[in-house]
Amino acid sequence: AQSVTQLDSHVSVSEGTPVLLRCNYSSSYSPSLFWYVQHPNKGLQLLLKYTSAATLVKGINGFEAEFKKSETSFHLTKPSAHMSDAAEYFCVVSGGMDSSYKLIFGSGTRLLVRP
Amino acid sequence: EPEVTQTPSHQVTQMGQEVILRCVPISNHLYFYWYRQILGQKVEFLVSFYNNEISEKSEIFDDQFSVERPDGSNFTLKIRSTKLEDSAMYFCASMGGVISYEQYFGPGTRLTVT
Repeated sequence: AQSVTQLDSHVSVSEGTPVLLRCNYSSSYSPSLFWYVQHPNKGLQLLLKYTSAATLVKGINGFEAEFKKSETSFHLTKPSAHMSDAAEYFCVVSGGMDSSYKLIFGSGTRLLVRP
Repeated sequence: EPEVTQTPSHQVTQMGQEVILRCVPISNHLYFYWYRQILGQKVEFLVSFYNNEISEKSEIFDDQFSVERPDGSNFTLKIRSTKLEDSAMYFCASMGGVISYEQYFGPGTRLTVT
């Protein structure tokens, strides 16, 4: 079965400093992995996805993530945080073809950006 | 840009009442999903729908829940007799196909059962 673990429930950074949100996954086969963002009182927006192509994936708003099979990790990074990045971030794995492609969510990391 | 829409944005109902949550997926998409997020908890899968039938459902999706795609555009989630523990944000999502694996989410319906 697929699962993801987000290692930090809260991350606080100063504006202009780097962001690192950590995620580890468990999968019995090569996974499809995603990061979604949820701003307050908004829906879920896809930031980026990994589906077995390039291991370094670039997403929207300057975010990127690197798939590391040896470490079973898919950490999300951004070189310089902006106030508008404050939100909840979810690491997500797809259940795959055998599981109707349902998404399995991590517990989320709340990113706080200090001025 | 095409988007998934959901109505209503907020629904308040009394315990034991039936509710129908409505979703309009992106028009050429083939796979449809409902997820829910209880306040302070993670997003959980409820049900997937493809080719006019349920393809998978979670343990949460018991006999009180049903889904329909009545007219080729709407996708509805019905809860027959609501319980207090059904209070949550319900998200609809759609996916075009299995090449991109991208699911697009609606803004959600906040269901409050009193």
